[in-house]
Amino acid sequence: ILNVEQSPQSLHVQEGDSTNFTCSFPSSNFYALHWYRWETAKSPEALFVMTLNGDEKKKGRISATLNTKEGYSYLYIKGSQPEDSATYLCAQSDTGNQFYFGTGTSLTVIP
Amino acid sequence: DADVTQTPRNRITKTGKRIMLECSQTKGHDRMYWYRQDPGLGLRLIYYSFDVKDINKGEISDGYSVSRQAQAKFSLSLESAIPNQTALYFCATSEAGTKQFFGPGTRLTVL
Repeated sequence: ILNVEQSPQSLHVQEGDSTNFTCSFPSSNFYALHWYRWETAKSPEALFVMTLNGDEKKKGRISATLNTKEGYSYLYIKGSQPEDSATYLCAQSDTGNQFYFGTGTSLTVIP
Repeated sequence: DADVTQTPRNRITKTGKRIMLECSQTKGHDRMYWYRQDPGLGLRLIYYSFDVKDINKGEISDGYSVSRQAQAKFSLSLESAIPNQTALYFCATSEAGTKQFFGPGTRLTVL
């Protein structure tokens, strides 16, 4: 069992603010780091999958970075909008393709 | 039509009853997973299957069993439900080494 940790647990920001969250993971048996967006009453949807140290991914105003040597990933949201309100999950998948999820960061964007 | 479907979406049952949750997918993925989500604990893996003949226990398999009837179907059973199995259950699918696609979830309440 791998311990994946996310911080902060919850976050409130004003519309237009930029924000970021952290995912920490152990490096043992690392295969990939995944970010998911989970809106209330819906199911988690994949945002990014990163495998290589130094990987950076971007999708609109959302981007992510990966540091496998020190075991962390950052998710950035630029110019937050109310529709960005959701829980953001990260997960590490190992070489056996098991997924280990963090408990998520709950983001609320205040109009 | 949804790629990953779960039935039922909501279920209330009594302690000691046997219950089955079903998952079907049209994505053609070999890998299927069952998770449960509890407040503050994130997603925890119950069982996973990499093909029809391959079943593996996850982090919290006690009290659960699974059946992979076909590539597209993966069922989760609670032989004798107990109240601490009250949770939100998600099925997910993936190809090897890639992101997971989640079903809509089944909310199970055991009285």
